[in-house]
Amino acid sequence: DGGITQSPKYLFRKEGQNVTLSCEQNLNHDAMYWYRQDPGQGLRLIYYSQIVNDFQKGDIAEGYSVSREKKESFPLTVTSAQKNPTAFYLCASQGVSYLYNEQFFGPGTRLTVL
Amino acid sequence: AQTVTQSQPEMSVQEAETVTLSCTYDTSESNYYLFWYKQPPSRQMILVIRQEAYKQQNATENRFSVNFQKAAKSFSLKISDSQLGDTAMYFCAFMNWRNTPLVFGKGTRLSVIA
Repeated sequence: DGGITQSPKYLFRKEGQNVTLSCEQNLNHDAMYWYRQDPGQGLRLIYYSQIVNDFQKGDIAEGYSVSREKKESFPLTVTSAQKNPTAFYLCASQGVSYLYNEQFFGPGTRLTVL
Repeated sequence: AQTVTQSQPEMSVQEAETVTLSCTYDTSESNYYLFWYKQPPSRQMILVIRQEAYKQQNATENRFSVNFQKAAKSFSLKISDSQLGDTAMYFCAFMNWRNTPLVFGKGTRLSVIA
């Protein structure tokens, strides 16, 4: 089955810790995205990557880091510099085509700071 | 920068009735794409319908249709014969023709009442 997987589904972090959220896709998509969802805020873009070994900051990149070493994988690290990391995190991927540009989403990771 | 506004935080509709969700956007681009995504209680994001700005004809997908008014920068979603399974958050989203990341509205929470 083709799709996007995110792990873990739930993640708990102690203050001062870095944590990494996993995102993997087998859709052969070039572009991948990380969004943060808070109640009443919609989805806000953290980072995105349109090609391997390249990525760009989104609107709320502070306190987060990413890597894109493989086409299939786009992990997100939430660092201790992120002051309010409790949120729902969604990963998405997209084929780079002007004919069909739907973004497919993973099931999400709920991060809670203890 | 593009912005997307959903002015109805919450709506409700009786089962089998019709409901319209509003969305307006702001852009200086002439070519772009508009989307409606559904997020049910499972939190999985699902594409409902897509509209290309260069197409004059409004998109339809079964019980879902849009009213795209390019000059007014309006993109409303009509759900006909509402079903209990339509209960969800609905997000309007914008993408310009360069396939840059989606810009989301803050969402409308729709409840379908039996």
